[in-house]
Amino acid sequence: GAGVSQSPSNKVTEKGKDVELRCDPISGHTALYWYRQSLGQGLEFLIYFQGNSAPDKSGLPSDRFSAERTGGSVSTLTIQRTQQEDSAVYLCASSLDQRENEQYFGPGTRLTVT
Amino acid sequence: RKEVEQDPGPFNVPEGATVAFNCTYSNSASQSFFWYRQDCRKEPKLLMSVYSSGNEDGRFTAQLNRASQYISLLIRDSKLSDSATYLCVVNMQEGGNKLVFGAGTILRVKS
Repeated sequence: GAGVSQSPSNKVTEKGKDVELRCDPISGHTALYWYRQSLGQGLEFLIYFQGNSAPDKSGLPSDRFSAERTGGSVSTLTIQRTQQEDSAVYLCASSLDQRENEQYFGPGTRLTVT
Repeated sequence: RKEVEQDPGPFNVPEGATVAFNCTYSNSASQSFFWYRQDCRKEPKLLMSVYSSGNEDGRFTAQLNRASQYISLLIRDSKLSDSATYLCVVNMQEGGNKLVFGAGTILRVKS
């Protein structure tokens, strides 16, 4: 079946602009996660959605970052007033539910802020 | 101290060699442990879970030492295709799924 998909695969934006990154999880997966990975670094947890529960936003680095998950499926990560330090690969993952430890990752969106 | 720490490497080994990676974690209440593999410019993929009794999957063996708070991954008879970054991953949250990823250990297997 289809895996996790993300769009766009690459995004170049100017400092100060807003960007939206999209994630389509695996059908039937109720848990969805956003991470970011800077060059040579580990994955940094950003936000976690589980079903209709309030999301765990504890990893969002600033109030310029927000995410939504509509209808329990597709998720959008929005970064407002982008800064150069926001440049990274943004990875989305989904799992069957919050107790399922195996997370399936999408290919990521490579964001470059110039 | 980082929640999950790994030796970044790189480990450069010849084909057929045995290589081992260690990873330490800071939270003694951590619930479950994993090794993920990440190829260059690709997404991470689950390699194997790590069970308290230790577990083996073909050429790969994972072990957990709760007392010392470390996990290990042993790769026997290394193949060129094993070249990748190996991520140590710890679930810090009971009943939930807050995975904390190490920065990874780079393995390069050469012919």
